[in-house]
Amino acid sequence: DTAVSQTPKYLVTQMGNDKSIKCEQNLGHDTMYWYKQDSKKFLKIMFSYNNKELIINETVPNRFSPKSPDKAHLNLHINSLELGDSAVYFCASSLGGPSYEQYFGPGTRLTVT
Amino acid sequence: GENVEQHPSTLSVQEGDSAVIKCTYSDSASNYFPWYKQELGKGPQLIIDIRSNVGEKKDQRIAVTLNKTAKHFSLHITETQPEDSAVYFCAASRGSGGGNKLTFGGGTRVLVKP
Repeated sequence: DTAVSQTPKYLVTQMGNDKSIKCEQNLGHDTMYWYKQDSKKFLKIMFSYNNKELIINETVPNRFSPKSPDKAHLNLHINSLELGDSAVYFCASSLGGPSYEQYFGPGTRLTVT
Repeated sequence: GENVEQHPSTLSVQEGDSAVIKCTYSDSASNYFPWYKQELGKGPQLIIDIRSNVGEKKDQRIAVTLNKTAKHFSLHITETQPEDSAVYFCAASRGSGGGNKLTFGGGTRVLVKP
């Protein structure tokens, strides 16, 4: 299936731990994104990569570090998790940047206890 | 930066009726306005988009209108069906140049009652 996939779908962890979320797209897109959706459903861009190059880095704590090993993958590593990091994290991709259709992954629900 | 406001936050309609969701944006340089539908437990999915050189676009039961002067755009869903129940997001972007991004509205939860 052609799609954007994320692992894991659910992640429950304790405060202070470090965790990673992986994202892969097989659509041949050149731009990938990480979004955070809070409990009120508000969607906000965190990072954007174009051809493995970081082009958007929003006001996100530096505990969050994205990594793009190649055009098809964009991972998100989070250090020293805090309660406020609990949210659903979506990976997305597009061909040609933010003014073209973005394909979203199924999301990773992160719960920090 | 861009700010997108969306109203209403919740909308309940009877099956077969129309639903209208309105958005305003602040950045006059924005030129791309997509609408996304998010079903429970899934990622958002594009349903229709409009660019600033067009005032209206229609795709079967959904239509979008854009008023650049007033900086607002709307989503119209006609003959609503239970499967239209979801959260809908409007968004705006300046373009695909480096540093540009998609800014989302706060979402509208639509419930279609059979």
